[in-house]
Amino acid sequence: GAGVSQSPSNKVTEKGKDVELRCDPISGHTALYWYRQSLGQGLEFLIYFQGNSAPDKSGLPSDRFSAERTGGSVSTLTIQRTQQEDSAVYLCASSVSGTGHGQPQHFGDGTRLSIL
Amino acid sequence: SQKIEQNSEALNIQEGKTATLTCNYTNYSPAYLQWYRQDPGRGPVFLLLIRENEKEKRKERLKVTFDTTLKQSLFHITASQPADSATYLCALAGSNTGKLIFGQGTTLQVKP
Repeated sequence: GAGVSQSPSNKVTEKGKDVELRCDPISGHTALYWYRQSLGQGLEFLIYFQGNSAPDKSGLPSDRFSAERTGGSVSTLTIQRTQQEDSAVYLCASSVSGTGHGQPQHFGDGTRLSIL
Repeated sequence: SQKIEQNSEALNIQEGKTATLTCNYTNYSPAYLQWYRQDPGRGPVFLLLIRENEKEKRKERLKVTFDTTLKQSLFHITASQPADSATYLCALAGSNTGKLIFGQGTTLQVKP
């Protein structure tokens, strides 16, 4: 079946512009996660949606970052007024459920964001 | 603050040998620990999960141990193959959240 799909796969933009990154999770997965991975580093948690609960936004680095998940499916991560330090690979993952069950997370291949 | 440490240097081993990767953590009491494999330009792929009340888990050539006293997990690949060459990430989570905290990963290179 289809895995987690992210678009675009690559995005190059100028400093100060806004960008939107899209994630299509695996159908039926109730939990959706966004992570950021800088070159040679591990994954940094950004935000997590679980069903209809309020999202856990504790990892968002600044108020320039926001995310929404419409209809419990597709999610969009928006970065406003981009800065060069925002350059990274943004990874989305989904899991069957997200609370206390240790479910494996299924990752997309990410969006590589470069800020000029 | 919570901290997870994996071998920062790449691990180079000969084909057929056992690779052992280490994950140490501080200031955290995870309910479970997961290991992922990541190839260049790709997203991580789930390998194994072990819970806080489990000492060891196996899957084919993979074995994971979890010592909550030492705050350490070891990940073993037996009879390693060049195709096992990749970066391996450990990740921790608490009991009330699916949010994962990742280590920086260890790159394994298996030479024929």
